[in-house]
Amino acid sequence: EVQLVESGGGLVKPGGSLRLSCAASGFTFSSYSMNWVRQAPGKGLEWVSSISSSSSYIYYADSVKGRFTISRDNAKNSLYLQMNSLRAEDTAVYYCARGLYDSSGYCFDYWGQGTLVTVSS
Amino acid sequence: SYVLTQPPSVSVAPGKTARITCGGNNIGSKSVHWYQQKPGQAPVLVIYYDSDRPSGIPERFSGSNSGNTATLTISRVEAGDEADYYCQVWDSSSDPLKVFGGGTKLTVL
Repeated sequence: EVQLVESGGGLVKPGGSLRLSCAASGFTFSSYSMNWVRQAPGKGLEWVSSISSSSSYIYYADSVKGRFTISRDNAKNSLYLQMNSLRAEDTAVYYCARGLYDSSGYCFDYWGQGTLVTVSS
Repeated sequence: SYVLTQPPSVSVAPGKTARITCGGNNIGSKSVHWYQQKPGQAPVLVIYYDSDRPSGIPERFSGSNSGNTATLTISRVEAGDEADYYCQVWDSSSDPLKVFGGGTKLTVL
């Protein structure tokens, strides 16, 4: 059974930093691209960042570019999101999601339960 | 950036058919994916690549995509189908690369 478990969320002051982790199990982690998707309270889904299976390709949404860094450790079956210079608008539940893709499209086939990040003074 | 437009809400009586649309410029040329999210839960993929169903998703869920509109159809709607539904595409020429629609709240009357 595929499982994705996020951790590391919490309350942080504006301008602060936080590192999210996602522990994966039930599949060959090193074979899949991985993603972070967030959801602000009462709002819709927003893609944040993606990383390819070997970390060769990394992408960010404009809203987090230069502040967030995605990484992975295939030996530990783990995905990370280092978040710096946090702003109030970064407040959201952050989901770890597995990527499924081919030449015609890309979707998120499994999701974790999410971890809440609150940026407030 | 590529924009996906969904109606904020759709209401349907139990046993009837619900149709949730997702509009986008020439969306028929892209692969569209649909997610169901119930309150307090993570999203679940219900339709991928326009019309494929992941294992465990009832046959009542189906999808289509043509022209400027993709549609998620839920037949014989049940109370348990009440949720938010999001469409999503990948656009290699867009920023952001992976785009979600604003979501549609399905209410079962």
